[in-house]
Amino acid sequence: DAGVTQSPTHLIKTRGQQVTLRCSPKSGHDTVSWYQQALGQGPQFIFQYYEEEERQRGNFPDRFSGHQFPNYSSELNVNALLLGDSALYLCASSSRGTQYFGPGTRLLVL
Amino acid sequence: KNEVEQSPQNLTAQEGEFITINCSYSVGISALHWLQQHPGGGIVSLFMLSSGKKKHGRLIATINIQEKHSSLHITASHPRDSAVYICAVDRHNNNDMRFGAGTRLTVKP
Repeated sequence: DAGVTQSPTHLIKTRGQQVTLRCSPKSGHDTVSWYQQALGQGPQFIFQYYEEEERQRGNFPDRFSGHQFPNYSSELNVNALLLGDSALYLCASSSRGTQYFGPGTRLLVL
Repeated sequence: KNEVEQSPQNLTAQEGEFITINCSYSVGISALHWLQQHPGGGIVSLFMLSSGKKKHGRLIATINIQEKHSSLHITASHPRDSAVYICAVDRHNNNDMRFGAGTRLTVKP
């Protein structure tokens, strides 16, 4: 079992660009949550997907959007990137239990 | 005020020392998690607690629901224990987790 995987591992973008991050959940998991972790801080909840729908959303602007596919994998899209979007983006999968975290995608916005 | 507070923020110990990291929360929860994050970002779930105490190897986690407090203990600490330890809670009737800011542990040989 590969566990939770994310791609890419690192990414550099410039202000105003758009980015798509990808997450494949652990086998057997149907729920995917996305988190943003700024340097030196704990992760902040962005949103959670279940059955291809956004089930809950944290305090993030509409520039942050997502999608879940029938195979439960998920994408996080961020439009009109700001310098403050530079962070580690973590994906976690679960199935009515413990969340398992992926290695994260480190995004740098210049 | 953050819903999840951890202390200390940073901790340096000598190899072999007993370590305690504390977590207090201010919301109703269904479960509390202790996570370990190594440099580079990968997060590993250590414990999920809803009551009492759990032990795994040299790690022990306790929770007091009435006092809204949890502790993570590491016995006979080792340099490989150096990491950021994060406390997180599942809130009642809510699907998101709330995280503490983490405790950066450095164990020196």
